[in-house]
Amino acid sequence: GDSVTQMEGPVTLSEEAFLTINCTYTATGYPSLFWYVQYPGEGLQLLLKATKADDKGSNKGFEATYRKETTSFHLEKGSVQVSDSAVYFCALSEGLDSSYKLIFGSGTRLLVRP
Amino acid sequence: DAGITQSPRHKVTETGTPVTLRCHQTENHRYMYWYRQDPGHGLRLIHYSYGVKDTDKGEVSDGYSVSRSKTEDFLLTLESATSSQTSVYFCAISGRNQPQHFGDGTRLSIL
Repeated sequence: GDSVTQMEGPVTLSEEAFLTINCTYTATGYPSLFWYVQYPGEGLQLLLKATKADDKGSNKGFEATYRKETTSFHLEKGSVQVSDSAVYFCALSEGLDSSYKLIFGSGTRLLVRP
Repeated sequence: DAGITQSPRHKVTETGTPVTLRCHQTENHRYMYWYRQDPGHGLRLIHYSYGVKDTDKGEVSDGYSVSRSKTEDFLLTLESATSSQTSVYFCAISGRNQPQHFGDGTRLSIL
């Protein structure tokens, strides 16, 4: 079945460092791809999405490009802040309709030090 | 939080007791979902609903049942709770072809 694999955490960075969190997926169709962020004690918030190959999702300085040839959707940010410390989840939806059920990766914890 | 309320937010109960978690939305969205979050597993889908009285199983549905008698409420029931069901439970909602929005979660401990 479809699946999502994320890099193991935690990822520890200094403020203003460059961030990459790797995400690869396995899917039989043409999924939509998402990054969600979870701050301590809260639910998941949608960070960005991409619905077809070569689409780039972006929000709050974060970016990810849907790469069909490498089945990847890596999350990047040029300069992280302490407030970016959270757990990041990569996810895909089975099918073209992004309201369809989601399959999540295991999450990557990011810790940004001042 | 996109008009989603989960209740209770925390619950501690004993093995073998029934437990019901409630998800309430004010967005009139068609789709509602229940996930559980466990370390190392991310979120896994338990059940979902695509309309009133229309539900289907997810990846980890064993030991859980759901009901949706009206658009705004989606109930998750553990008929006889087990320690393996200790987890954080999240409800999500979405409209057609819209991303899912999540509630703040319910932390359930089964002793």
